[in-house]
Amino acid sequence: DAKTTQPPSMDCAEGRAANLPCNHSTISGNEYVYWYRQIHSQGPQYIIHGLKNNETNEMASLIITEDRKSSTLILPHATLRDTAVYYCIVRVWGYSTLTFGKGTMLLVSP
Amino acid sequence: EAGVAQSPRYKIIEKRQSVAFWCNPISGHATLYWYQQILGQGPKLLIQFQNNGVVDDSQLPKDRFSAERLKGVDSTLKIQPAKLEDSAVYLCASSLDLGQLGETQYFGPGTRLLVL
Repeated sequence: DAKTTQPPSMDCAEGRAANLPCNHSTISGNEYVYWYRQIHSQGPQYIIHGLKNNETNEMASLIITEDRKSSTLILPHATLRDTAVYYCIVRVWGYSTLTFGKGTMLLVSP
Repeated sequence: EAGVAQSPRYKIIEKRQSVAFWCNPISGHATLYWYQQILGQGPKLLIQFQNNGVVDDSQLPKDRFSAERLKGVDSTLKIQPAKLEDSAVYLCASSLDLGQLGETQYFGPGTRLLVL
């Protein structure tokens, strides 16, 4: 079973920041937080991952709370193409299996 | 760089028939995964290969599902006989190595199976 809790859906206006929350209150010290997204009719796509420090790449930023019990994925300027299901996954370092939950359906509107 | 290729993209069969899906991972990727995604749910891992050996097949319904990766490159997933509840998208993914920090799984577009 997935060890994360995410809202089932969120809306965002095009051009605004999309902030997607994830709760992982039972996360262990050796578990990383990963984010993937799945655009309709496509396979999931890796976005970003982190352990305890905030991370940023060309796609998004990941903010992890100090106690590591929750995190937020930030898409700084959402576009219509960011409409997708976003999955937050905790994964043990050195262990490759991804356990997906139901994710958050993000709808970006004009 | 070419992505993960899967075929066919769509398949419709009747229950009790057999079906096979094919996956060609990204060149050089040692690890290959098959996932099942039922409508409205996230993908669920069925089987994981490291080169041509099985690493994890604990969630594969072995009475009807089988998979192979004979030469450590392409893989096939077979269902025989199919049931109505097998209707799903079957996703193939590959990664460079097993469990390495930062290692990313790259997914193919999937095969949509409808069992009537």
